[in-house]
Amino acid sequence: AQSVTQPDIHITVSEGASLELRCNYSYGATPYLFWYVQSPGQGLQLLLKYFSGDTLVQGIKGFEAEFKRSQSSFNLRKPSVHWSDAAEYFCAVGPTSGTYKYIFGTGTRLKVLA
Amino acid sequence: DTGVSQDPRHKITKRGQNVTFRCDPISEHNRLYWYRQTLGQGPEFLTYFQNEAQLEKSRLLSDRFSAERPKGSFSTLEIQRTEQGDSAMYLCASSHLGSGNTIYFGEGSWLTVV
Repeated sequence: AQSVTQPDIHITVSEGASLELRCNYSYGATPYLFWYVQSPGQGLQLLLKYFSGDTLVQGIKGFEAEFKRSQSSFNLRKPSVHWSDAAEYFCAVGPTSGTYKYIFGTGTRLKVLA
Repeated sequence: DTGVSQDPRHKITKRGQNVTFRCDPISEHNRLYWYRQTLGQGPEFLTYFQNEAQLEKSRLLSDRFSAERPKGSFSTLEIQRTEQGDSAMYLCASSHLGSGNTIYFGEGSWLTVV
């Protein structure tokens, strides 16, 4: 079955430091991959997506992610974190074969220290 | 685009009561999804509509849950005889062929069952 794993439940970084959030997926074919961000009590906002082509994709708010097929990973990165980046981040894959649903990881909560 | 709109944003209900949530997708989006999210978890797929047809339902969607999209535009999610375990955020998302496989979420509807 398809799945998405975000190994880090919580991450704390200092403002200005670099950030990498990990995402691993299990899917037989080339997946459609997404990163969303969620502020407390809010819906999910799309940061970036990968469908095909260049494996390094750029998103909003200075985020980027790299698709690595050999590692089944789609890690999210930002070179310099801002206090406003504190939120929960979700990796997702979909729609998966034989179904219309998108599968989400359990999320990584980012805390930013001033 | 005005974005995906959900109503109400918050609902507190007594156990055993029925509740209904409404979702208005982005204009022209013919695909509509309902997800449920509990604290500390990622969104879980509930159901999918393409136009007015409900094409997929999760096993999470028990007999007490029903969703409709009568004219292929807005959708409603009704929960009958609510239980405390139904307390969660109910998220609606929409997409269309032109958006590729990207789904866009609303702000969510929080349900608290007391």
